Amino acid sequence: KNEVEQSPQNLTAQEGEFITINCSYSVGISALHWLQQHPGGGIVSLFMLSSGKKKHGRLIATINIQEKHSSLHITASHPRDSAVYICAVANTGTASKLTFGTGTRLQVTL
Amino acid sequence: GAGVSQSPRYKVAKRGQDVALRCDPISGHVSLFWYQQALGQGPEFLTYFQNEAQLDKSGLPSDRFFAERPEGSVSTLKIQRTQQEDSAVYLCASSLGRALKYNEQFFGPGTRLTVL
Repeated sequence: KNEVEQSPQNLTAQEGEFITINCSYSVGISALHWLQQHPGGGIVSLFMLSSGKKKHGRLIATINIQEKHSSLHITASHPRDSAVYICAVANTGTASKLTFGTGTRLQVTL
Repeated sequence: GAGVSQSPRYKVAKRGQDVALRCDPISGHVSLFWYQQALGQGPEFLTYFQNEAQLDKSGLPSDRFFAERPEGSVSTLKIQRTQQEDSAVYLCASSLGRALKYNEQFFGPGTRLTVL
């Protein structure tokens, strides 16, 4: 079992839909990243969080430390949101290196 | 200011060739990480530097992989005698802080290596 599991692996939505991507992890963490990766492009950090909830524009990220679970929500989705979204955790103890999920490929259509 | 840069962006190598991939971290960032991302997978940790010291190389898949950061700034990942299974995107990330506390990592655009 991977230390970081994401669901769903693939997601297709129509423009305007509310989207949720889930991430579960099995280790103690000091921080969790939500990352965005466009085809052929590098990785952009959307959020780094260790507790609670963060919001940036149409994006919301939440984390429940006790349940070892995080969610990324996109409100009023748009085709430009189409990308791969990756959850990554920094384990307590190692503190430095990130362990990544396999990503969720999101396609938003008109 | 400039972000993390990597060069080349794309590299095609014949099996058996040696390749060198370069990473320029954000100026002043102490920590530097290399990750390997196979097609359709999430990135996986290769190695970590704090300044010029390579503190963790547990993710390097074989002794054909070697990384250095001699002056604590630019880093080079070298792969000797490339094999087809080395084909992947190689990502570099840097962060400001030191090992005891997690500091946000900033990623470069990656180098896509294709071994024929």
